[in-house]
Amino acid sequence: DADVTQTPRNRITKTGKRIMLECSQTKGHDRMYWYRQDPGLGLQLIYYSFDVKDINKGEISDGYSVSRQAQAKFSLSLESAIPNQTALYFCATAPGQGAYNEQFFGPGTRLTVL
Amino acid sequence: AQKVTQAQTEISVVEKEDVTLDCVYETRDTTYYLFWYKQPPSGELVFLIRRNSFDEQNEISGRYSWNFQKSTSSFNFTITASQVVDSAVYFCALSGAIYNTDKLIFGTGTRLQVFP
Repeated sequence: DADVTQTPRNRITKTGKRIMLECSQTKGHDRMYWYRQDPGLGLQLIYYSFDVKDINKGEISDGYSVSRQAQAKFSLSLESAIPNQTALYFCATAPGQGAYNEQFFGPGTRLTVL
Repeated sequence: AQKVTQAQTEISVVEKEDVTLDCVYETRDTTYYLFWYKQPPSGELVFLIRRNSFDEQNEISGRYSWNFQKSTSSFNFTITASQVVDSAVYFCALSGAIYNTDKLIFGTGTRLQVFP
């Protein structure tokens, strides 16, 4: 079974709808991250969390919110989706503290906003 | 500023050719870490290597090798005798001990296409 799972894997929604993307991990990592990937732009950090009480904004947090329900769960919400939020979204986890830690990525959620 | 530049947007080669993917970085940190990830057509991100700023030894893993040069702020990735299965987008990333600790700064990626 995958260590980092994301649901749904694909989602098509309409402008103005609220949508939640969920991430779960069985790796026991404290740190969790949400990224979006757009063609030609690489991965940009939306939000990150070091534990359930520590949530931080990334480079592109406008239009998004997150919830860290438990160590293993980190959800990303789009309160009112807009077409330019169409992208591939990745959740990632990392163990402990330190710049040397690699991040482990989920399979991604492809979101289309019409 | 913390920045990673992958100037090659797309590279096409024929199978068995060697190919080098360039990565240039900027950082204020004196201790930092560099990473390469592979994103095959299936979309997942696969960790390939991590390098710390104090270790400039080149690394080889099978057909993959990495050349880290602090003098030119580069961490280049070479695939020897490329294969069709190497076709993917490759990302270079940076993390710093003080600035951007626990966060990865990604380059924009290089799409490698290997033709049979």
